[in-house]
Amino acid sequence: GQQLNQSPQSMFIQEGEDVSMNCTSSSIFNTWLWYKQDPGEGPVLLIALYKAGELTSNGRLTAQFGITRKDSFLNISASIPSDVGIYFCAGPNYGGSQGNLIFGKGTKLSVKP
Amino acid sequence: DGGITQSPKYLFRKEGQNVTLSCEQNLNHDAMYWYRQDPGQGLRLIYYSQIVNDFQKGDIAEGYSVSREKKESFPLTVTSAQKNPTAFYLCASSGQGIGANVLTFGAGSRLTVL
Repeated sequence: GQQLNQSPQSMFIQEGEDVSMNCTSSSIFNTWLWYKQDPGEGPVLLIALYKAGELTSNGRLTAQFGITRKDSFLNISASIPSDVGIYFCAGPNYGGSQGNLIFGKGTKLSVKP
Repeated sequence: DGGITQSPKYLFRKEGQNVTLSCEQNLNHDAMYWYRQDPGQGLRLIYYSQIVNDFQKGDIAEGYSVSREKKESFPLTVTSAQKNPTAFYLCASSGQGIGANVLTFGAGSRLTVL
């Protein structure tokens, strides 16, 4: 079945550094979603991508929908301590109905002040 | 403020007991979902409902049950048949059109079996 592979699994960076993470799949996606989850809380949507090649920003965050439609990237510029959390990519499960998403296993980000 | 409310936040259960997790939304969304999250894992779909009085099994429905009697509410029962129920449970909802694949999540309920 469909799977999303996220990398890296975890990152330890210094405050102020830029961060890059990605998500790949063996199958094509028509939508890519990036969520952030704080400890003990539910995921919060960061960026939604709907078109191959699309590049979208949300403050210091930038995400891209890969041209092959099999990957997506999330970049965070000038990281700050509140960027700590787990970042998930997600896309629609085409074996199911709308809203039935597949999630990657997440990239855990730690930021040292 | 519109959103999704899950309760309780923390729940302890003895083996053999059924427990019900509450999920209420005031976003006027038609679709609602239950996901399970285990440490170091992505989210896995338990059940979902596209409309009142209708719901479908997700990837890991065994040992769980749901109901959708009202648009705003989608409670999840973790039954004694669920072999490994200790986990973080997340409820979500989504709207129509281009937003149908954009899920809004609640804050989660952590269930621990003693």
